[in-house]
Amino acid sequence: GQNIDQPTEMTATEGAIVQINCTYQTSGFNGLFWYQQHAGEAPTFLSYNVLDGLEEKGRFSSFLSRSKGYSYLLLKELQMKDSASYLCAVLDSNYQLIWGAGTKLIIKP
Amino acid sequence: IAGITQAPTSQILAAGRRMTLRCTQDMRHNAMYWYRQDLGLGLRLIHYSNTAGTTGKGEVPDGYSVSRANTDDFPLTLASAVPSQTSVYFCASSERASSANEQFFGPGTRLTVL
Repeated sequence: GQNIDQPTEMTATEGAIVQINCTYQTSGFNGLFWYQQHAGEAPTFLSYNVLDGLEEKGRFSSFLSRSKGYSYLLLKELQMKDSASYLCAVLDSNYQLIWGAGTKLIIKP
Repeated sequence: IAGITQAPTSQILAAGRRMTLRCTQDMRHNAMYWYRQDLGLGLRLIHYSNTAGTTGKGEVPDGYSVSRANTDDFPLTLASAVPSQTSVYFCASSERASSANEQFFGPGTRLTVL
């Protein structure tokens, strides 16, 4: 079966760095997405990785290792507005997105 | 403003009633999707459409139907609602199907079936 695993909840301090991990087992792989979802709102796109390595975009970076079935999202200089759920999703062999349950990130002052 | 709209925002529905959730996009995207989101679970694909005139079944299609008469609209119908269909429903679109294009999401419809 297809499976995406990510921690249910994480807590971090304003100004710090946090790493949210995602491991996956899917039928085929055409890339991995990270989305941000604030409570009561729609998911919004953060990043896409299809090749191994680190993609940096401002305070957010995303890493992929295809051989390990592993990705992480790194958030630097945390701000209170970063409190949200972070969703990991893999594009499978049929180009359908398989979604993890999301990691709720709580930022404390 | 370009994007995706959904209606209604929320709805309380009696079991056994028929309900259509509306979704409209103005980005001229070819592909559209319906997901449901339940606490503790990832987004699950109900139905999708790769282009106007075609539809396909996702992971959890039972009890739902869709149509895609034109590019912009992709309504989701619950023929006879059951309590297990209580969920938040998101419509999404992407420029092309079978590609790595990001998906854009509507604001969601919160549906409660009693």
